[in-house]
Amino acid sequence: GENVEQHPSTLSVQEGDSAVIKCTYSDSASNYFPWYKQELGKRPQLIIDIRSNVGEKKDQRIAVTLNKTAKHFSLHITETQPEDSAVYFCAALPSTSGTYKYIFGTGTRLKVLA
Amino acid sequence: NAGVTQTPKFQVLKTGQSMTLQCAQDMNHNSMYWYRQDPGMGLRLIYYSASEGTTDKGEVPNGYNVSRLNKREFSLRLESAAPSQTSVYFCASRRGGSYEQYFGPGTRLTVT
Repeated sequence: GENVEQHPSTLSVQEGDSAVIKCTYSDSASNYFPWYKQELGKRPQLIIDIRSNVGEKKDQRIAVTLNKTAKHFSLHITETQPEDSAVYFCAALPSTSGTYKYIFGTGTRLKVLA
Repeated sequence: NAGVTQTPKFQVLKTGQSMTLQCAQDMNHNSMYWYRQDPGMGLRLIYYSASEGTTDKGEVPNGYNVSRLNKREFSLRLESAAPSQTSVYFCASRRGGSYEQYFGPGTRLTVT
């Protein structure tokens, strides 16, 4: 079945540095790739997403890049701040599902060290 | 607008007991979802409802049943709870024509 792999599982960076999280998907026809941030004890919140017809999208300090040939997409956070510390999840929407069933990665725990 | 709401927030069950987790959304969304979240496993889809009156299995449906009572409400039932069902359960909804999902606050369930 469809699969999304996410790396790394944990990531520690110094405040002000950049963080990169990478996901690889199996269904080449997947057409939508969201990223969620989940703080401890809270619900996942969408922070950025990208569709398959776009290679890169930015929103202030956050960007997502998509490489359809290699079937991977990455989250880039620049100038990290302590409030960026959270678990980040990627997801993909396999177009073959036809029913909007999302496949999630296993999450990356980001720690921003002050 | 309350968005997506879930009840209860916390629940402890004994093995074999049954219970229903409730989810409601006030955004007039067509699609609703139930996920479970376990440490190191991400979010896994249990059941999905594209619209009122329709339901579809996800990755991990065994041991669960669902009811899409109306457009607002989507409930998840555990008929005979097992320790393996200890998890955090999230409900989500999605507007037709949009990709974005909106999540509820979650229900933390412990089965002893």
